[in-house]
Amino acid sequence: EVQLVESGGGLVQPGRSLRLSCAASGFTFDDYAMHWVRQAPGKGLEWVSGISWNSGSIGYADSVKGRFTISRDNAKNSLYLQMNSLRAEDMALYYCAKGTGWELSSATDYWGQGTLVTVSS
Amino acid sequence: EIVMTQSPATLSVSPGERATLSCRASQSVSSNLAWYQQKPGQAPRLLIYGASTRATGIPARFSGSGSGTEFTLTISSLQSEDFAVYYCQQYNNWPPKFTFGPGTKVDIK
Repeated sequence: EVQLVESGGGLVQPGRSLRLSCAASGFTFDDYAMHWVRQAPGKGLEWVSGISWNSGSIGYADSVKGRFTISRDNAKNSLYLQMNSLRAEDMALYYCAKGTGWELSSATDYWGQGTLVTVSS
Repeated sequence: EIVMTQSPATLSVSPGERATLSCRASQSVSSNLAWYQQKPGQAPRLLIYGASTRATGIPARFSGSGSGTEFTLTISSLQSEDFAVYYCQQYNNWPPKFTFGPGTKVDIK
């Protein structure tokens, strides 16, 4: 059974940093691209970032480019999102999602339950 | 950045009726288009990828069509469990910014 478990969310002040993690199990992690998607309270889905199976291809939404960094550790079956210079508009539930293929350009077929990031002073 | 639009914003349908949801891309995304269903308090669920391929375990009443900039999700006979919000997402190779549409809420008429 595919499982994706996010962690690392919490309350953080504007301008500070936070690192999200996603622990994957139930599939061959290094065979698939991975993505982060967020959802602000009561709002729609926003794709944040994605990474191909070998980290060779990476993409970011314009809203986070230059502030967020995605990475993965295939030996640990883990995905990460380093979030710097956080803003009020980054407050959301952050989902980790598995790609349907190895390349970055893929849909996402399994999602975690999300970790909540609250940005407030 | 490719902008995705969805129509209508809300669709009121009676159980057993057909629902047709539209998604439009600001430039061609070929067939790199997915549809997701989200219910309150739950993570999204993949329904369709590659514009028309049903994901594993998705009932045949869900079908997708289109290519380029115009796409459609059809639910042939709405069941009670289908009332939810539906999002389209493009994942075209370039630029690598895989934007979602704003969603269509399907509610009970």
